[in-house]
Amino acid sequence: DAKTTQPTSMDCAEGRAANLPCNHSTISGNEYVYWYRQIHSQGPQYIIHGLKNNETNEMASLIITEDRKSSTLILPHATLRDTAVYYCIVKETSGSRLTFGEGTQLTVNP
Amino acid sequence: SAVISQKPSRDICQRGTSLTIQCQVDSQVTMMFWYRQQPGQSLTLIATANQGSEATYESGFVIDKFPISRPNLTFSTLTVSNMSPEDSSIYLCSVGAGTGYETQYFGPGTRLLVL
Repeated sequence: DAKTTQPTSMDCAEGRAANLPCNHSTISGNEYVYWYRQIHSQGPQYIIHGLKNNETNEMASLIITEDRKSSTLILPHATLRDTAVYYCIVKETSGSRLTFGEGTQLTVNP
Repeated sequence: SAVISQKPSRDICQRGTSLTIQCQVDSQVTMMFWYRQQPGQSLTLIATANQGSEATYESGFVIDKFPISRPNLTFSTLTVSNMSPEDSSIYLCSVGAGTGYETQYFGPGTRLLVL
């Protein structure tokens, strides 16, 4: 699976959009981009995934660049409960294993 | 999505003992996974447990230390054997879902402290 690079930490004001970047320059054609988050003392939570088109669900939007070498997870109106470590993971859909990096600690401030 | 529960939620154990962690899912799933999260670190996959076959262990993890059972499609156990303080971690199970099992859903974790 391709390696991902994320900033160690980010801050965001409550009510504003949180934009979390992820670089995956070695991504291959059959690899998807997945985002999970882990709120303190809880198990990781699936957020969204995509291949090359932008995706949106009730939690977030995923924007993948045309060359697929980077992506951005967007939380449109961050709340204090969105404070968590966000993990960007690249993997094949046929492969089952998730390889977690260090992720980005997002802190939403009042 | 799947609802996953784990027992116990936390435990404090003495070195040299063993602890069995249970993972229960509210629906039948083919693929289940066990992860470890050491203090302040990210998650590491221990093994993949599919019903009807032997668990597949990742590099650095062995069956003698982390035996796994998968008796049916809704249940699995992970045993941490002959524990030492280095085994103090959060242990999480997850299940694969989706058409190609591409999305994983995680349980709440078991917090283990070994003294």
